[in-house]
Parts: sequence; structure tokens; C-alpha cells
Amino acid sequence: GAVVSQHPSRVICKSGTSVKIECRSLDFQATTMFWYRQFPKQSLMLMATSNEGSKATYEQGVEKDKFLINHASLTLSTLTVTSAHPEDSSFYICSATTGLSYEQYFGPGTRLTVT
Amino acid sequence: DAKTTQPPSMDCAEGRAANLPCNHSTISGNEYVYWYRQIHSQGPQYIIHGLKNNETNEMASLIITEDRKSSTLILPHATLRDTAVYYCIVRVNTDKLIFGTGTRLQVFP
Repeated sequence: GAVVSQHPSRVICKSGTSVKIECRSLDFQATTMFWYRQFPKQSLMLMATSNEGSKATYEQGVEKDKFLINHASLTLSTLTVTSAHPEDSSFYICSATTGLSYEQYFGPGTRLTVT
Repeated sequence: DAKTTQPPSMDCAEGRAANLPCNHSTISGNEYVYWYRQIHSQGPQYIIHGLKNNETNEMASLIITEDRKSSTLILPHATLRDTAVYYCIVRVNTDKLIFGTGTRLQVFP
């Protein structure tokens, strides 16, 4: 149980375009979802926390107008990278909590490459 | 959240026990010790967590010292598939997870 999926697993986009990444909890309702970013050979950095039906809370230094997060349902959160640039190329990972426990269940990640 | 200190890398022979240490000398009384691991190019995987008692599950054992200032994650019989970066995190349950740099465990044949 507690499976989280992400789509797409890999995406390549041109500089200046926007790309949307989906995070789904497949077998549970996720009260809270988290978005992380990981650059090569570095640790995960929390970008934002989102609760269903409310605005996301962004970590310091993360631009909310550039990284749009929508948590429209208890099983889906989306991250849209707007006007992507090469420096946004990274591994984006989401996680979710069930509300019944505090463990976070992570998705497999999405590798974004901006050319 | 309290800061943790882990060795940057460790090696372990396949079939042997892997003992991964973590120092968390400033841990608060209500903070748990969590362990996650991340296999290359995958999302992190929850391993185990504990407050003050030792814990064991199908993946690993967690030994927490009596003063709670350090802990050890034990993989009893390491396999090549256990090669990963292991993260020790201390947090109050309701807090977000803050990942440090972790320990890169290399299991060799």
C-alpha cells in the first residue's frame, strides 16, 4: 500500500516553455503532498508543502510564481514549472502523507531537462 | 529540526551486516529518528523510525542510545541492492522532512 506515482518520469522541454508534473497517490487519500528538487550529487531540497484545497506553502527562496502547485484533489497534486530555463533542470520528487501516520511516501521522481 | 551528522560514505561486503551511524546530539525529547534511503535516480524509501526504544522491521533494525544522542541503522545481511544513500533525519512527527547529505553505502560482492 501507500503507492505514489509521478508522470512523466522524464521530460525534455525548450527554454521558455512550461512543463507540468503530476503526482498521484494511487491507493490512499493524501492529505498533504510535498515537492522536492534534487540537483546531481546533492540532497533533496523541500520546495513546498500543499494541502488539498488550499494554497501551497513555499520554502524560503522558492518562487511561487515560477513553480505553480495545485492540489486539487486528495489524490492529485501538480507542479508546473513556468518559463523553464536550463538551470531548472533537475530531479523533481513528490511525496504524500496519509493522515493516518506521519511517514512520507515518495514518488519515483521526474527528471526535467531544459534545453 | 535537530541537525544530524553522518559519515559521507561506507563500504560493506555482501552478506555482512551494515551498521550506519548517525549523531544527533541536540535532539529534543519529542523528536523521532527517521531513516530513509535513496537508490540512484529513484525517490526515497522509508526504512524505519523510532523515539527511544530500539525498533526492528523486515528491512532493518534501529538502535538508539539511551541518551538519544546517536543511533545506528543495521542492515543485518546487506545485498548489492542495498547500495544507496541513507538519510538519518530527526523530526517532530508533524514537521516536514529535512534531508541532510546522508551516507553513501556501497555494498560490494
